[in-house]
Amino acid sequence: GAGVSQSPRYKVTKRGQDVALRCDPISGHVSLYWYRQALGQGPEFLTYFNYEAQQDKSGLPNDRFSAERPEGSISTLTIQRTEQRDSAMYRCASSLDGWSGANVLTFGAGSRLTVL
Amino acid sequence: DQQVKQNSPSLSVQEGRISILNCDYTNSMFDYFLWYKKYPAEGPTFLISISSIKDKNEDGRFTVFLNKSAKHLSLHIVPSQPGDSAVYFCAAIANAGGTSYGKLTFGQGTILTVHP
Repeated sequence: GAGVSQSPRYKVTKRGQDVALRCDPISGHVSLYWYRQALGQGPEFLTYFNYEAQQDKSGLPNDRFSAERPEGSISTLTIQRTEQRDSAMYRCASSLDGWSGANVLTFGAGSRLTVL
Repeated sequence: DQQVKQNSPSLSVQEGRISILNCDYTNSMFDYFLWYKKYPAEGPTFLISISSIKDKNEDGRFTVFLNKSAKHLSLHIVPSQPGDSAVYFCAAIANAGGTSYGKLTFGQGTILTVHP
């Protein structure tokens, strides 16, 4: 597609439920990133992929968070047993590649998660 | 531990005047810096960047200045236009020559309002 597409745009869930957030990157973009943004803060790195390989997951807060990109295109961020502190905007970004000086991240509009 | 700080939550300027947005960082390993702009309900979009080997980069009305000794960078917008009203995020990358181009550390953002 023309841009980075994320779904759902809004998700309200009850504490303890699992949620899956989807990201469809720009066609042909090798690298895909997940960020989390709390209200009034900047985006915070979670994890990223080059093709289908997860290169860095150092930003995932705990083992309830996981991400995959099985075919090197669409990615899913899964949060198990959600807690209220997981409420945030989850942003996906993609870039042509992850290792060149011309690399620029294009962000999606985000998925806003609210855990009740 | 906020490694990238934007100490001004908001800035208001008159159309045609200069807007100066400031950013401070603490991590000496940061060697590439970017500014992103964000409109409501959209993802952040890339604006301009600078490598640590330079002290200035200019693109049209936008100029970024980097003072490495002070660990400070600023974004100048001249002349400011009402359409520039947005949230501006400063971001930094450590070891940009490696494989970490997408692992950005963001500041909290500054809301710029340009009045007609």
